[in-house]
Amino acid sequence: AQKITQTQPGMFVQEKEAVTLDCTYDTSDPSYGLFWYKQPSSGEMIFLIYQGSYDQQNATEGRYSLNFQKARKSANLVISASQLGDSAMYFCAMREGSFGRDDKIIFGKGTRLHILP
Amino acid sequence: NAGVTQTPKFRVLKTGQSMTLLCAQDMNHEYMYWYRQDPGMGLRLIHYSVGEGTTAKGEVPDGYNVSRLKKQNFLLGLESAAPSQTSVYFCASSSPHGQAPNTGELFFGEGSRLTVL
Repeated sequence: AQKITQTQPGMFVQEKEAVTLDCTYDTSDPSYGLFWYKQPSSGEMIFLIYQGSYDQQNATEGRYSLNFQKARKSANLVISASQLGDSAMYFCAMREGSFGRDDKIIFGKGTRLHILP
Repeated sequence: NAGVTQTPKFRVLKTGQSMTLLCAQDMNHEYMYWYRQDPGMGLRLIHYSVGEGTTAKGEVPDGYNVSRLKKQNFLLGLESAAPSQTSVYFCASSSPHGQAPNTGELFFGEGSRLTVL
């Protein structure tokens, strides 16, 4: 069964500091994808970054990077040089399967990040 | 670009009433999903569909039914609403995971806030 765990319900970080949001997952499928989404107070879901299970390098998208440790089943999101606009809820998600096999996407409970000025 | 559109955006129901949430996507995506979001619980998958005419149960399917008669539409029905179904409902769509160049990320609607009294 799929499982996504985010152990930090909330975090407070000083502006301009780097922040790491934790995510661990559990799956027996060798083919899976890991996603991070941001949900600001306005409520929309914003896709940030993706890591495939077969990707050799850690994914990066601007100030976002994904610290993928496959053996530990860990997919932490790193935000460099945090900004006030990064204050939001962050969700880790996992998708099993590939190329059209029946699959579903499961989310963790989220981490609420507060950036302090 | 419409993307994923949910209707209605807000609804108040009395216990026992029925209603249908409509999700429409214009990206020709095969997969569609319905999630509910409750404080402290993250997004939980209700039902999903991997193609026209197919549906499957997610994590919390009880009390809900779905239909995917057309590829672009995914309907979520509440036959007899209960206060426990008060939530924000999100619809999402995606292409299959691993079908390059797509990551299979979810594209979300804006959400529908449902209150059951």
